[in-house]
Amino acid sequence: ETGVTQTPRHLVMGMTNKKSLKCEQHLGHNAMYWYKQSAKKPLELMFVYNFKEQTENNSVPSRFSPECPNSSHLFLHLHTLQPEDSALYLCASSRERGDSYEQYFGPGTRLTVT
Amino acid sequence: AQTVTQSQPEMSVQEAETVTLSCTYDTSESDYYLFWYKQPPSRQMILVIRQEAYKQQNATENRFSVNFQKAAKSFSLKISDSQLGDAAMYFCAYRRVANIGNEKLTFGTGTRLTIIP
Repeated sequence: ETGVTQTPRHLVMGMTNKKSLKCEQHLGHNAMYWYKQSAKKPLELMFVYNFKEQTENNSVPSRFSPECPNSSHLFLHLHTLQPEDSALYLCASSRERGDSYEQYFGPGTRLTVT
Repeated sequence: AQTVTQSQPEMSVQEAETVTLSCTYDTSESDYYLFWYKQPPSRQMILVIRQEAYKQQNATENRFSVNFQKAAKSFSLKISDSQLGDAAMYFCAYRRVANIGNEKLTFGTGTRLTIIP
């Protein structure tokens, strides 16, 4: 395992529901990321947090709302999603500085919007 | 903008044989990092190998090695003595060197590798 956990692993929600994805890292990292992985498309970076501050929002629709209460936890709040939002959502973390630029990924949440 | 292209959606190799996965990228930067990530079915994505652009020597990690051709902007992954556990999606990724560590990764579309027993 990589030290990054995500819950739930699978989620089915209707378009009017509100749900949240959770990510936790046990690596002492300061940067955390949300990615969207759709079939036959490159991973798409959604958000980046560095020391709890959002440093990048990659033109993500407002129906996705991230929250980073501390450097170890990252949430993605979902509301009024569309069927095309169905995908695997990956969380990752990395050091803010240092020699290692490796990002460590969680197992992902498989989201299905009905 | 940087782009990463993996032109082989699927590859297969006989167990114990060698396979090479292709990756090309486009950038105007002179210094950057390149990565190969492995994503096994229903398992976490993990880093396989990393190459710093300023290093001429190709990176090697056990059975995994790269052929880094900076001028051609090519970064292929060679897997020697393929094992059943190597079956996975392989993603090539690019990262710009920056003063802070949270520069984003730009990924290719991936190559699904099947190992034939």
